[in-house]
Amino acid sequence: AQSVSQHNHHVILSEAASLELGCNYSYGGTVNLFWYVQYPGQHLQLLLKYFSGDPLVKGIKGFEAEFIKSKFSFNLRKPSVQWSDTAEYFCAVNGLGYSTLTFGKGTMLLVSP
Amino acid sequence: EAGVTQFPSHSVIEKGQTVTLRCDPISGHDNLYWYRRVMGKEIKFLLHFVKESKQDESGMPNNRFLAERTGGTYSTLKVQPAELEDSGVYFCASSHLRQGTHEQFFGPGTRLTVL
Repeated sequence: AQSVSQHNHHVILSEAASLELGCNYSYGGTVNLFWYVQYPGQHLQLLLKYFSGDPLVKGIKGFEAEFIKSKFSFNLRKPSVQWSDTAEYFCAVNGLGYSTLTFGKGTMLLVSP
Repeated sequence: EAGVTQFPSHSVIEKGQTVTLRCDPISGHDNLYWYRRVMGKEIKFLLHFVKESKQDESGMPNNRFLAERTGGTYSTLKVQPAELEDSGVYFCASSHLRQGTHEQFFGPGTRLTVL
């Protein structure tokens, strides 16, 4: 069975600090990888996704993620966070030919001004 | 373009009662998904419709849960009778195409509390 592990459940940063959220997955095949974000009071929305090609993908709001196949990882990064990045971040995966998503438990990020 | 909508936003019921959650996907999206997040846990898949047909219902916890999508538009998820462990946030998502690479658009969720 596929699974997703997010390393940190809560992260607190000051504005302008760099961010890296860890995500590892377990799946026996080709995967598509996603990061979703849920801002306070809002819907889950897609930050970025990887399904093929360049393993470094760029998303909205200055976020990027790198797929490292050998490590089964898809870590999310942002060089300088803002207060408005305060949200819960979810890593998710689906397998080739499947659309249903398997999520990690989420990481709550709090950015202090 | 309207997003995915869900009704109600919150529901508080007693154990043994029935609750029906509704999801309206983005117009034209054939794929509709239900997910659930129990407090402290990950968001888990419940089932997937393609139009009015159930494509995958492997995530449905038990036969107290019944999902329908008559006419291939909106969907309902009924819990009957509700148990304490059914509490959580129920998310609906829709997508235009079935391919796994395509973005799923999520609704705001329905927070269900069973007392």
